[in-house]
Amino acid sequence: KQEVTQIPAALSVPEGENLVLNCSFTDSAIYNLQWFRQDPGKGLTSLLLIQSSQREQTSGRLNASLDKSSGRSTLYIAASQPGDSATYLCAVRRGYAGNMLTFGGGTRLMVKP
Amino acid sequence: EPEVTQTPSHQVTQMGQEVILRCVPISNHLYFYWYRQILGQKVEFLVSFYNNEISEKSEIFDDQFSVERPDGSNFTLKIRSTKLEDSAMYFCASSGGLAGRQVPYEQYFGPGTRLTVT
Repeated sequence: KQEVTQIPAALSVPEGENLVLNCSFTDSAIYNLQWFRQDPGKGLTSLLLIQSSQREQTSGRLNASLDKSSGRSTLYIAASQPGDSATYLCAVRRGYAGNMLTFGGGTRLMVKP
Repeated sequence: EPEVTQTPSHQVTQMGQEVILRCVPISNHLYFYWYRQILGQKVEFLVSFYNNEISEKSEIFDDQFSVERPDGSNFTLKIRSTKLEDSAMYFCASSGGLAGRQVPYEQYFGPGTRLTVT
């Protein structure tokens, strides 16, 4: 059974700092991996999707990398801003038939002005 | 930009009652999903739906739950005889795809319905 873990569970940084969020998964037979942002009491906003054949994906100040063989992904946020404060979730889609996403517990990020 | 919508945003119900949660997926999407998130816990998959039938479901999705696409736009989750432990945020999601193929399209989530069972 796929398990997804995110470390740290919470992170507080000063504005302007570059930071890395980590995601690990136990079964490397994934089809893709998605990073989401969740604001308190709100839905999930998709940030990036990385295919299993890709090594990284970029969107603005966000860069996500994937090392499928070691079961790891990172989300790099450059020049963090207070508006980046949210919970960041990673989710993997398994490699055989099926579309279900298995989620990690999230990293709660606070960027202080 | 197209988005997934859900109604109601908050539903309070008494234990044992039936509830229907409603979703309008993105219009050209073919795959529809329900997930839930109990307060303080991970987001959990419930069910996926494609071509008017369930394509996958989790252990959570037992006989208490059912899904339906009653028309060309709505996608519903029915919970019969609600229990206290059904209290959670329920998220609907949809993704695109070409008919008959598994494609790696992103799943887009709605804002959620907070279900409170008292």
